[in-house]
Amino acid sequence: EAQVTQNPRYLITVTGKKLTVTCSQNMNHEYMSWYRQDPGLGLRQIYYSMNVEVTDKGDVPEGYKVSRKEKRNFPLILESPSPNQTSLYFCASRNLGGQGNTIYFGEGSWLTVV
Amino acid sequence: QKEVEQDPGPLSVPEGAIVSLNCTYSNSAFQYFMWYRQYSRKGPELLMYTYSSGNKEDGRFTAQVDKSSKYISLFIRDSQPSDSATYLCAMSITGANSKLTFGKGITLSVRP
Repeated sequence: EAQVTQNPRYLITVTGKKLTVTCSQNMNHEYMSWYRQDPGLGLRQIYYSMNVEVTDKGDVPEGYKVSRKEKRNFPLILESPSPNQTSLYFCASRNLGGQGNTIYFGEGSWLTVV
Repeated sequence: QKEVEQDPGPLSVPEGAIVSLNCTYSNSAFQYFMWYRQYSRKGPELLMYTYSSGNKEDGRFTAQVDKSSKYISLFIRDSQPSDSATYLCAMSITGANSKLTFGKGITLSVRP
């Protein structure tokens, strides 16, 4: 079954405590990305990756880091989380080439920073 | 002006109603248009996908694109309580490498 898997699904953490949200896809997709979804602001892209070792900033990259060492994995790192990073986070992946616009989303990770 | 505007709603309709959801956009370079459905506490899933102008039908759902007016619509016929979800429009310039730009989403509730 085609899947994008994120962990953890729910997390409460404290300001300044580094955390990593993992993302893995089983579809051999080149493209992976992270979004955050906030009420009234919709889905906003944080970072994206076109392939292994190729990453770039999205619309709201401040306070986040990513890495793409393997094709299937694209972790999101919050080095020093702050309360304004409390949000619902989605990892997504899709193929490149052709029309390639069918983007698959994970189930989401609810993050609260206190 | 935001690139993609979507009526924030929420929208509540009785079961069986015809629902019309709309988005407008400002970037005339958009070529690919999509509608995503997002159930509560789930990730968005692709519902309809259209390239350029025209209509596309899939069961009770019809997606319509009017590039001259920079306006896209999603129609749901014979709406069901199971259609209750948030609907997001999305669009992109080219197929393969381009970024998706999303509307903010509208929450639809279909009352039994």
